[in-house]
Amino acid sequence: GDSVTQMEGPVTLSEEAFLTINCTYTATGYPSLFWYVQYPGEGLQLLLKATKADDKGSNKGFEATYRKETTSFHLEKGSVQVSDSAVYFCALSDRTSGTYKYIFGTGTRLKVLA
Amino acid sequence: DGGITQSPKYLFRKEGQNVTLSCEQNLNHDAMYWYRQDPGQGLRLIYYSQIVNDFQKGDIAEGYSVSREKKESFPLTVTSAQKNPTAFYLCASRLTGEKLFFGSGTQLSVL
Repeated sequence: GDSVTQMEGPVTLSEEAFLTINCTYTATGYPSLFWYVQYPGEGLQLLLKATKADDKGSNKGFEATYRKETTSFHLEKGSVQVSDSAVYFCALSDRTSGTYKYIFGTGTRLKVLA
Repeated sequence: DGGITQSPKYLFRKEGQNVTLSCEQNLNHDAMYWYRQDPGQGLRLIYYSQIVNDFQKGDIAEGYSVSREKKESFPLTVTSAQKNPTAFYLCASRLTGEKLFFGSGTQLSVL
């Protein structure tokens, strides 16, 4: 079945460092790919998404490119801030059956130090 | 403001007790979902509903029940059959696109 694998955390960076969180997926159909962010004690918020191969999603300085050849959707940010400290989830949505089914990765905790 | 409201934020269950988690949305979304989140794990789907009076089991439905009598409400009951209920429970909804909107969650613990 479909699955999402993302790098284990925690990831600890200094402020203004470059961030990469790896995410790879397996899917039989043509999924859309997402990054969600969860701040402590809260629900998830959509950070960015890409719906087809070579699409780049971007928001708040974060970017991720849908790479079909490597089945990857790595999250990047050029300069992280303390306020970016959160848990990041990679996810896919497969709509080929007509029902939106979402598969989430296990989450990667990011801690940014001042 | 439109959104999803989950209540209570913290809930404690005694052994053998059923408890109900509330999820209300005023976004006019058709589809609603319940997820369970355990430390170090991703979100696992418990139940979902695409329209009123209809719902389907997700990957870990055993020990849980739901109802969808109104479009805006999708309560989750954790029954005594769920032997390991301690977790963070998230409710989500979706309109026609793929974006999920999440509530702020309920932390359920066993006394």
